[in-house]
Amino acid sequence: DAGVIQSPRHEVTEMGQEVTLRCKPISGHDYLFWYRQTMMRGLELLIYFNNNVPIDDSGMPEDRFSAKMPNASFSTLKIQPSEPRDSAVYFCASSYPSRPGEQYFGPGTRLTVT
Amino acid sequence: GENVEQHPSTLSVQEGDSAVIKCTYSDSASNYFPWYKQELGKRPQLIIDIRSNVGEKKDQRIAVTLNKTAKHFSLHITETQPEDSAVYFCAAWGGGNKLTFGTGTQLKVEL
Repeated sequence: DAGVIQSPRHEVTEMGQEVTLRCKPISGHDYLFWYRQTMMRGLELLIYFNNNVPIDDSGMPEDRFSAKMPNASFSTLKIQPSEPRDSAVYFCASSYPSRPGEQYFGPGTRLTVT
Repeated sequence: GENVEQHPSTLSVQEGDSAVIKCTYSDSASNYFPWYKQELGKRPQLIIDIRSNVGEKKDQRIAVTLNKTAKHFSLHITETQPEDSAVYFCAAWGGGNKLTFGTGTQLKVEL
């Protein structure tokens, strides 16, 4: 099993640009989570999906952030427009049906907004 | 919502000694408690977990204990080795149907 796959691994962009992060969950997992990690705020849950449906997006910081899951094997997190305070490591994680707390993380995308 | 507190924030031990990290949670509906290890620049990795119907679980040099009454759980690492150096996060899956993480413990195992 390839594990959770994320792309790109690193992204450097200028303030105001659109950023799209991508995630492929582990096959057979029907939960998908997006987290943001910073030194100041630790690991924060942004949004999660179950069976491709967004369940809880209360952690999405503001309207500049949006996430989609068009099918069971692909999800995107988009930031438009990006700001320097969005600089962080963004992790995607997935988990099996009936075991949503047992999450497996992808390698993360390190985003730098200048 | 759930609140998870983790202590200490940093822990330094000599190789071969034991390390203990403690967490408390607030939501009595929480029923699953995983522990993650994150090495510098890497992803959090699930290393052990415990469910609310179990008081203790052991896997080689690591063990977790859970006290539901007191709402606290702990990670115990015995015979520590340099490769145990990392940040460890506790977490709780609760009634809010989300995983709430502690703030992390930086463990340093010194030779």
